[in-house]
Amino acid sequence: DAGITQSPRHKVTETGTPVTLRCHQTENHRYMYWYRQDPGHGLRLIHYSYGVKDTDKGEVSDGYSVSRSKTEDFLLTLESATSSQTSVYFCAISEGDSPRGYTFGSGTRLTVV
Amino acid sequence: QKEVEQNSGPLSVPEGAIASLNCTYSDRGSQSFFWYRQYSGKSPELIMSIYSNGDKEDGRFTAQLNKASQYVSLLIRDSQPSDSATYLCAPYSGGGADGLTFGKGTHLIIQP
Repeated sequence: DAGITQSPRHKVTETGTPVTLRCHQTENHRYMYWYRQDPGHGLRLIHYSYGVKDTDKGEVSDGYSVSRSKTEDFLLTLESATSSQTSVYFCAISEGDSPRGYTFGSGTRLTVV
Repeated sequence: QKEVEQNSGPLSVPEGAIASLNCTYSDRGSQSFFWYRQYSGKSPELIMSIYSNGDKEDGRFTAQLNKASQYVSLLIRDSQPSDSATYLCAPYSGGGADGLTFGKGTHLIIQP
């Protein structure tokens, strides 16, 4: 996962509390993505960013917001965590329109109790 | 809605044999295709990419693409226990924001 780090790696939080996950890259890649991965559902796109302050929704964006104030940082916020948001969250980066695939971070395992 | 179909498995293959993983996709606009390997508890890792019809070989791995049939496959020769993982197929439809659509993956088990 060189060049992309996620924090925290593990978190347990209570229902109704806000939670922010951070993705940091040192590759200066334009595109950043947040996915969640759940058994039986695979990887599902939550939000993505195509530049500073340019973000858009993915297929499972309800209950999540994102921000990108710097090229290197992409934050995912759960405004009021619910048990259905218990999941593994992955950040990914890509250079842009070049079809070279994505590089993933190590993931954050979030448990909402 | 772009769909990517993979047999979830588990696919059990004896050590030393060829493992064959298959994937079909719905978006005819898909331009490139990627295979990711994901070990349990780890993040997906890119292992193969293929852009044009035919075969592409990289070590023990061969990716095969047939755009007319909307089919892509991954062959692993001389399978090793370390190949035991979930393999994700991901067509790319162009433009970083549209990006990759992931299949749910095939769980591969290599039996020693």
